[in-house]
Amino acid sequence: DAGVIQSPRHEVTEMGQEVTLRCKPISGHNSLFWYRQTMMRGLELLIYFNNNVPIDDSGMPEDRFSAKMPNASFSTLKIQPSEPRDSAVYFCASSLFTGGDEQYFGPGTRLTVT
Amino acid sequence: ELKVEQNPLFLSMQEGKNYTIYCNYSTTSDRLYWYRQDPGKSLESLFVLLSNGAVKQEGRLMASLDTKARLSTLHITAAVHDLSATYFCAVVFNQFYFGTGTSLTVIP
Repeated sequence: DAGVIQSPRHEVTEMGQEVTLRCKPISGHNSLFWYRQTMMRGLELLIYFNNNVPIDDSGMPEDRFSAKMPNASFSTLKIQPSEPRDSAVYFCASSLFTGGDEQYFGPGTRLTVT
Repeated sequence: ELKVEQNPLFLSMQEGKNYTIYCNYSTTSDRLYWYRQDPGKSLESLFVLLSNGAVKQEGRLMASLDTKARLSTLHITAAVHDLSATYFCAVVFNQFYFGTGTSLTVIP
């Protein structure tokens, strides 16, 4: 298996623009997680899905952030409008199930908002 | 909310030395992971510890779990440069709660 796939790997955008990050989980995995990593705040869970259904989005920082999982093989994280403080590395991870199964992380998307 | 604390946050050690990284957490959990992250890279799972007293070893790394003390340790034996990375513990309580990470630099 190719592992978790994320695109783009790097994104540079101007403040106010819409940003869409994409993730393809490992085939057969039922749970998908979006994390954000910064030096100041470390690794934060933003939202996770189980069987394509959002289970917990309490980590989503504000209404500018939204995530969808239209099918088992694709998820998006959208930021609209983007702000400089959104600059971070965004990781997608997947696991067989939620509740403690090992999470496999994608390579991440490094987002820079100027 | 479950809190996970790692110490030290930064560790610089010479090759050949031994050291231990500590992971303390605030709520009962019986499952804990250790992950490694190389600079600019993603996170990779090293160990999963599933019960009190569990010990896992691979190469120069050994991880243990004491659920009663809510403590896990990652022991490094005879460090080598290739072990330089950031190490995270992740405590499972319905979801993963990651520690702050320990940035390890092994000096030749």
